[in-house]
Amino acid sequence: AQKITQTQPGMFVQEKEAVTLDCTYDTSDPSYGLFWYKQPSSGEMIFLIYQGSYDQQNATEGRYSLNFQKARKSANLVISASQLGDSAMYFCAMREGEGKLIFGQGTELSVKP
Amino acid sequence: NAGVTQTPKFRILKIGQSMTLQCTQDMNHNYMYWYRQDPGMGLKLIYYSVGAGITDKGEVPNGYNVSRSTTEDFPLRLELAAPSQTSVYFCASSYVWRGTNEQYFGPGTRLTVT
Repeated sequence: AQKITQTQPGMFVQEKEAVTLDCTYDTSDPSYGLFWYKQPSSGEMIFLIYQGSYDQQNATEGRYSLNFQKARKSANLVISASQLGDSAMYFCAMREGEGKLIFGQGTELSVKP
Repeated sequence: NAGVTQTPKFRILKIGQSMTLQCTQDMNHNYMYWYRQDPGMGLKLIYYSVGAGITDKGEVPNGYNVSRSTTEDFPLRLELAAPSQTSVYFCASSYVWRGTNEQYFGPGTRLTVT
């Protein structure tokens, strides 16, 4: 069973607008972590934001915020004020025991000028 | 700091050849991981290590071997390369696996098996 699901293969957003990238997950472990990584066309993996399962507040990092809805098992990434440099693949990942990350299939975001 | 370094950046192998992908981190991280990323897909865990001398299988270990003789190095060995091993390989490391400790990724090795 797929544990991380990203249902949007591709998304378009106008520059300076906000965009939400969806991520749902499945786990029976009460302790887990959720990550978002950005992969530009150059290929490197860039850490964006983290949410722990016991965190009471939604994580924020600059223009990135994570909309964590535990009961719905969703961890959507919100990018505010999109920039052209935000065009990339975005991966949601869940941490299982001993730090192993399980990745979704990714969402390709294109920012239009 | 160099972070996580991987060599080589690119490699073309013939079917049946073997090679070792090198990974080194200079952050004194205990945990190290090898992932592969097939075209249009997310990363999948091949092997991981929780410290020198300790390794364990991930989701897709077949056709690979690893060793961890030092904290810094975590090489990935491909024996008898097959076209199905054509992929981009990422090495990653983290200090601990709980909390907000992110995994730091290397730049990747693009491997083609023909």
